[in-house]
Amino acid sequence: ELKVEQNPLFLSMQEGKNYTIYCNYSTTSDRLYWYRQDPGKSLESLFVLLSNGAVKQEGRLMASLDTKARLSTLHITAAVHDLSATYFCAVDPLGGADGLTFGKGTHLIIQP
Amino acid sequence: DTGVSQNPRHKITKRGQNVTFRCDPISEHNRLYWYRQTLGQGPEFLTYFQNEAQLEKSRLLSDRFSAERPKGSFSTLEIQRTEQGDSAMYLCASSEGNQPQHFGDGTRLSIL
Repeated sequence: ELKVEQNPLFLSMQEGKNYTIYCNYSTTSDRLYWYRQDPGKSLESLFVLLSNGAVKQEGRLMASLDTKARLSTLHITAAVHDLSATYFCAVDPLGGADGLTFGKGTHLIIQP
Repeated sequence: DTGVSQNPRHKITKRGQNVTFRCDPISEHNRLYWYRQTLGQGPEFLTYFQNEAQLEKSRLLSDRFSAERPKGSFSTLEIQRTEQGDSAMYLCASSEGNQPQHFGDGTRLSIL
């Protein structure tokens, strides 16, 4: 059974600081997603990482994938309050179009 | 782009009653997914359709749950004889090919 673990699960940080969220998964996959969820809202796709060594950046967020280590990271640079949300990583174990396995999410609070 | 639409947004029912939710995917998407999300957890995969064919069902989908996508467009998820533990947010997502899944706003089910 595929397991996806995120850490930390809760993170409170100040604006302007940098931090990294980690996502480990237990079986082979070369397809990993990062989603953002605001309270009471649905999930918004942030990044799709499709191969070992993939790196994607959008604004203050950068995601990377190491399939050999079964590890993805989401790095936040110079955090701003608007980035406060819950961030999920999700893994597609078969590399196809089956259901995703999500981590528990990282609840991120960025304080002014 | 109207996005994935789910109805109703919130359903309150008494234990033992049947409920049905509807999902309208993005029109050109041939794949449709149902997930369940409880408070503080990531979404859990329930089932997946490609066009009208239901191709995968999670072990979470008990006999009381049934999903259909009769014409390969909208989908319904029915829960019979609801139980307290069915209280959750039910999320629908759609995708085209191997593109990221786009999520709807969900239906929040509350069992009294």
